[in-house]
Amino acid sequence: QVQLQESGPGLVKPSETLSLTCTVSGASIRSHYWSWIRQPPGKGLEWVGFMYYTGTSNYNPSLKSRVTVSLDTAKNQFSLRLSSVTAADTAVYYCARYYVYTGYFDYWGQGALVTVSS
Amino acid sequence: DIQMTQSPSFVSASVGDRVTITCRASQSIRSNLNWYQQKPGRAPKLLIYTASTLQSGVPSRFTGSGSGTDFSLTITSLQAEDFATYYCQQSSSLLTFGQGTKLEIK
Repeated sequence: QVQLQESGPGLVKPSETLSLTCTVSGASIRSHYWSWIRQPPGKGLEWVGFMYYTGTSNYNPSLKSRVTVSLDTAKNQFSLRLSSVTAADTAVYYCARYYVYTGYFDYWGQGALVTVSS
Repeated sequence: DIQMTQSPSFVSASVGDRVTITCRASQSIRSNLNWYQQKPGRAPKLLIYTASTLQSGVPSRFTGSGSGTDFSLTITSLQAEDFATYYCQQSSSLLTFGQGTKLEIK
């Protein structure tokens, strides 16, 4: 069974960089695309970006200048970095497997709340 | 960017009712439309993909239809566990979600 688990700081200061890691078990990170989705408190879902181990990636245009998704195949993990954060970046961040052939997210982590505050 | 608009944003219904949620795309997305269910404090769960294909393990009371710009999710004979928020998501051009439809108990 594929499982994903987010980890990282729950509090980030404004203007700093948010960093999260997703550890994948039950599947090789080389076999699929991997993605981040976020959800501000009480609001809807927003796709952040995805990456394949070859380096193929794509990002939400509204976040593209600040976002990097990277993969560590040795650790079977992938990561999110979001720079110059503001309070608007406060959200639950989910990592998920993106099944590119039919365009859906089929396995999700439990989510990690990241609050941007001084 | 392709915008996804769901309606209604809120719906109240009773156990046993039939409910339909609609999702409209700002341009044609063919059948590149997926539906998710999310319960409070939980990650979304995939229900239907490519507009009408039921994900493995999802009850048959969930039905998806549509193509092009107009789609719908129908739940027949609502069960207590179906009260949740539902999202559509397109994958035709990048990825975007609808704003969600909260299904509440009447």
